[in-house]
Amino acid sequence: DAGVIQSPRHEVTEMGQEVTLRCKPISGHDYLFWYRQTMMRGLELLIYFNNNVPIDDSGMPEDRFSAKMPNASFSTLKIQPSEPRDSAVYFCASSLLLARASVPEQFFGPGTRLTVL
Amino acid sequence: KNQVEQSPQSLIILEGKNCTLQCNYTVSPFSNLRWYKQDTGRGPVSLTIMTFSENTKSNGRYTATLDADTKQSSLHITASQLSDSASYICVVSENNAGNMLTFGGGTRLMVKP
Repeated sequence: DAGVIQSPRHEVTEMGQEVTLRCKPISGHDYLFWYRQTMMRGLELLIYFNNNVPIDDSGMPEDRFSAKMPNASFSTLKIQPSEPRDSAVYFCASSLLLARASVPEQFFGPGTRLTVL
Repeated sequence: KNQVEQSPQSLIILEGKNCTLQCNYTVSPFSNLRWYKQDTGRGPVSLTIMTFSENTKSNGRYTATLDADTKQSSLHITASQLSDSASYICVVSENNAGNMLTFGGGTRLMVKP
């Protein structure tokens, strides 16, 4: 398996533009997570899905952020309109919960480095 | 408030030396503690995951310890290599699903020849 795939790897855009980040989780995984990482705040969980259904979006900073998972192999994180403070590295991760007592390992993608000018 | 504090913030060691990174947490309830290695420009990679009942877990030259009573964990790296240069992040989870995570700020390790 190629692991978690994210695109684009780098995105530079101007303030006010719409940005769409894409993620393909590892095949068969039933959990998908979106994270944001900055120097000031470190890693932050934005939202996660279980079996394509958004479960917890309490980490989404504001209404300008939205995420979808139309099927088990694809998810998007959209920022509209983008602002300079959205500049960060956005990671997608996936995991598989095999049994109730198990602790699933999260596999991270390479990230998308977003710069909003 | 749930917190995960890591120390030191940064560390420089010579190749071949050992080092220990610290993680103190106040997360409750506690489900598991994870150590991740993050190379520059890459996503974090899991090194170890420990539950409440586990005191130590090894992954090659990496050994993590957990003291659930004092809420402390350490990551020991033996015979460091240049490729160990990275950020090491301690993450404490309140459940198995992985959504209730508290992240440490990380320790940036540099191994010099």
